[in-house]
Amino acid sequence: AQSVTQPDIHITVSEGASLELRCNYSYGATPYLFWYVQSPGQGLQLLLKYFSGDTLVQGIKGFEAEFKRSQSSFNLRKPSVHWSDAAEYFCAVGVIKAAGNKLTFGGGTRVLVKP
Amino acid sequence: GAGVSQSPRYKVAKRGQDVALRCDPISGHVSLFWYQQALGQGPEFLTYFQNEAQLDKSGLPSDRFFAERPEGSVSTLKIQRTQQEDSAVYLCASSSPLGRVSGSDEQYFGPGTRLTVT
Repeated sequence: AQSVTQPDIHITVSEGASLELRCNYSYGATPYLFWYVQSPGQGLQLLLKYFSGDTLVQGIKGFEAEFKRSQSSFNLRKPSVHWSDAAEYFCAVGVIKAAGNKLTFGGGTRVLVKP
Repeated sequence: GAGVSQSPRYKVAKRGQDVALRCDPISGHVSLFWYQQALGQGPEFLTYFQNEAQLDKSGLPSDRFFAERPEGSVSTLKIQRTQQEDSAVYLCASSSPLGRVSGSDEQYFGPGTRLTVT
């Protein structure tokens, strides 16, 4: 069965500093990978996704992620964090079946931004 | 345009009560998903509809959970005889606007219904 691990439960970063969130997945085929962000009281918003092609994926809000098949990783990065980036971030793998592409999520990483 | 909406946003139920949670997906979206998000955890898949057909209900935790989408648009998740372990945020998502399902389709999530069972 597929699984997603986000090793860091909390990360604190200073505003303007770089951010990297780790994600490791386990899946028996080529994965569809997603990063979502969840702000308090809000639904999940898609930041970016990977399903084929270039392994470096650009997303919204200045985020990017790199797919590394050899490491089963899909880490999320942002060069310079803004206070508004404080939120919870979820990595997910899409399980491709005839019955749609349900997502399996990691446990999330909560990002705190210091002024 | 309008996104996915869910109602109620908050629900408090006494143990043993039945609850019904509603999801209005984005118009024209073929796929509809329900997820359960316990406090401090990532969302977990409950069930999937393609139009009115429930194609996957493998994530429903017990036979107290029931979902329907009778006309292929609005969906209702019903929980009978609620238990404290049912306390969670229930998220609805829709996708696949072109009438066909693709593995790379983005899922659009609603704000969720926070269920508290006392």
